[in-house]
Amino acid sequence: AQKVTQAQTEISVVEKEDVTLDCVYETRDTTYYLFWYKQPPSGELVFLIRRNSFDEQNEISGRYSWNFQKSTSSFNFTITASQVVDSAVYFCALSVGNNNDMRFGAGTRLTVKP
Amino acid sequence: GAVVSQHPSWVICKSGTSVKIECRSLDFQATTMFWYRQFPKQSLMLMATSNEGSKATYEQGVEKDKFLINHASLTLSTLTVTSAHPEDSSFYICSARDQKGNINQPQHFGDGTRLSIL
Repeated sequence: AQKVTQAQTEISVVEKEDVTLDCVYETRDTTYYLFWYKQPPSGELVFLIRRNSFDEQNEISGRYSWNFQKSTSSFNFTITASQVVDSAVYFCALSVGNNNDMRFGAGTRLTVKP
Repeated sequence: GAVVSQHPSWVICKSGTSVKIECRSLDFQATTMFWYRQFPKQSLMLMATSNEGSKATYEQGVEKDKFLINHASLTLSTLTVTSAHPEDSSFYICSARDQKGNINQPQHFGDGTRLSIL
């Protein structure tokens, strides 16, 4: 069975602080995909990144970076120099198998205060 | 880029009403679409997988007679909440995968439908 755990329910930081959102996943498949999505108050899901299980390279995109470590089954997400506009719920998700249905973590609500 | 349109974005109706939600892939064909439900302050839970031209596959605990799914074309899937009751109030989100190329193409999500049953 597939499972995604986001242990941090809510995080609050002050603007310009760095913040890391944790994601731990479980799967017995050797081929899988990991995702991060941002869900602002308006509700839509904003795609941030997809990473396949064979690519452990870390990735940086502007203020966002991701650390994928298969040894610990983690795919953590760091926002550098956070901004108020980063306030949202962030979901980590896992996709395996031919059908690609996605299993989402519980989400982490990030609040960035000015 | 790929766009998935979901309609309506917001529905308020009386208990006992049936509500249809549409999910359209606007610039690609999707043999598979997914329906998710999200209760307030909770995660997205997969309800069912919609397959074009065949019956949907429902997740355990989801009533197929309550949530009717039709995927009659490669660009449209519909979810009908039959005889909706207040406990069906939720945020419903669909997603679609471009059928071309690798089966592991990323899913594209609609903007969701907020359903409120009075």
